[in-house]
Amino acid sequence: DTEVTQTPKHLVMGMTNKKSLKCEQHMGHRAMYWYKQKAKKPPELMFVYSYEKLSINESVPSRFSPECPNSSLLNLHLHALQPEDSALYLCASSQDRGNEKLFFGSGTQLSVL
Amino acid sequence: AQSVTQLGSHVSVSEGALVLLRCNYSSSVPPYLFWYVQYPNQGLQLLLKYTSAATLVKGINGFEAEFKKSETSFHLTKPSAHMSDAAEYFCAVLSGGSYIPTFGRGTSLIVHP
Repeated sequence: DTEVTQTPKHLVMGMTNKKSLKCEQHMGHRAMYWYKQKAKKPPELMFVYSYEKLSINESVPSRFSPECPNSSLLNLHLHALQPEDSALYLCASSQDRGNEKLFFGSGTQLSVL
Repeated sequence: AQSVTQLGSHVSVSEGALVLLRCNYSSSVPPYLFWYVQYPNQGLQLLLKYTSAATLVKGINGFEAEFKKSETSFHLTKPSAHMSDAAEYFCAVLSGGSYIPTFGRGTSLIVHP
């Protein structure tokens, strides 16, 4: 299994809603990432987990809350988002922190109304 | 510090023509360099990577790239474009002890019949 699976594929939410994005990989990778990507732009790093511990938070607003329940799962909890948070949210994993090859999921297309 | 510049936000070619996507990097130490492809509504997929072995790197789907230190370039080429190559292409650099790649702004490849 060489896939990173993200659910849901699409999400529409209001500014007062609470929702969660989920990411799963079964490749035994120990580093997992959340990226945000606006249309026609490169992905922007949000968070990095290494061995289930948060190692990088790129000054992301607190309305985004990551969680790594175990080595295969990565969640992104969303609360009180703004319309400008609408984007494609990509999860990625790599064998280890510092391993150069990233495996990306297909993303969750988020629309905040 | 590491950075990467992709010249041309859009490249348009005819089916069967040569594909050339340009990437120049800036790095104070020998870098790792990557090309990723993103098809519509998908995550990023690694096409190829340079890690200081052979300067001519062959990737998937008939793509290759040549590392030229004197020109600080890592251009992506394919001899004959297919309609299925239409996608967004991102060059990325990893160097100087950083374990997070820096992505270029992306180049959209358009293939005409």
